[in-house]
Amino acid sequence: GIQVEQSPPDLILQEGANSTLRCNFSDSVNNLQWFHQNPWGQLINLFYIPSGTKQNGRLSATTVATERYSLLYISSSQTTDSGVYFCAPETSGSRLTFGEGTQLTVNP
Amino acid sequence: DGGITQSPKYLFRKEGQNVTLSCEQNLNHDAMYWYRQDPGQGLRLIYYSQIVNDFQKGDIAEGYSVSREKKESFPLTVTSAQKNPTAFYLCASSMAGLYGYTFGSGTRLTVV
Repeated sequence: GIQVEQSPPDLILQEGANSTLRCNFSDSVNNLQWFHQNPWGQLINLFYIPSGTKQNGRLSATTVATERYSLLYISSSQTTDSGVYFCAPETSGSRLTFGEGTQLTVNP
Repeated sequence: DGGITQSPKYLFRKEGQNVTLSCEQNLNHDAMYWYRQDPGQGLRLIYYSQIVNDFQKGDIAEGYSVSREKKESFPLTVTSAQKNPTAFYLCASSMAGLYGYTFGSGTRLTVV
């Protein structure tokens, strides 16, 4: 099956800093989603992005499907951005395969 | 408000017992999914269903069973054959090709 690699595994920032999270995947995909998991375990869909760039407030995402990677940008980070960020490429049957995630800690 | 409801939030199971986790959605989504998450790891697919009365095994289906008798409901049974059931279980739904997944708030299952 498809392999998904996320980097870095852990990231610690000061409030206000910018960051880039990377997701590499091993095969062609129909789509790709980015999620944020808060400390209580709730997963929130951030982006549904098969290719190109999307922006939502301080967050943006870019997927380059032909080169099999996606990037998540967080600007002016806030403490509420803390949690785990997952990349999940979508293959046949709308199945998502999750990476191991990036654990982000934003300190005040 | 539309969404996915999982119950219970916490569940304790004795050795040898079957337990059923509930997942209900009112989003009119066709597809539903069950994932398992172990501490510090990503999510792994247990079962999924794209249409009523049909479902497929995911990557770790052994020791689990599901049913899809109604569009709104996709219960997961953790059987006694699942040797290491302690985990966080997440249910999701989607309308294929649109908007991505919506997840429930999860059930934490512990074997005692």
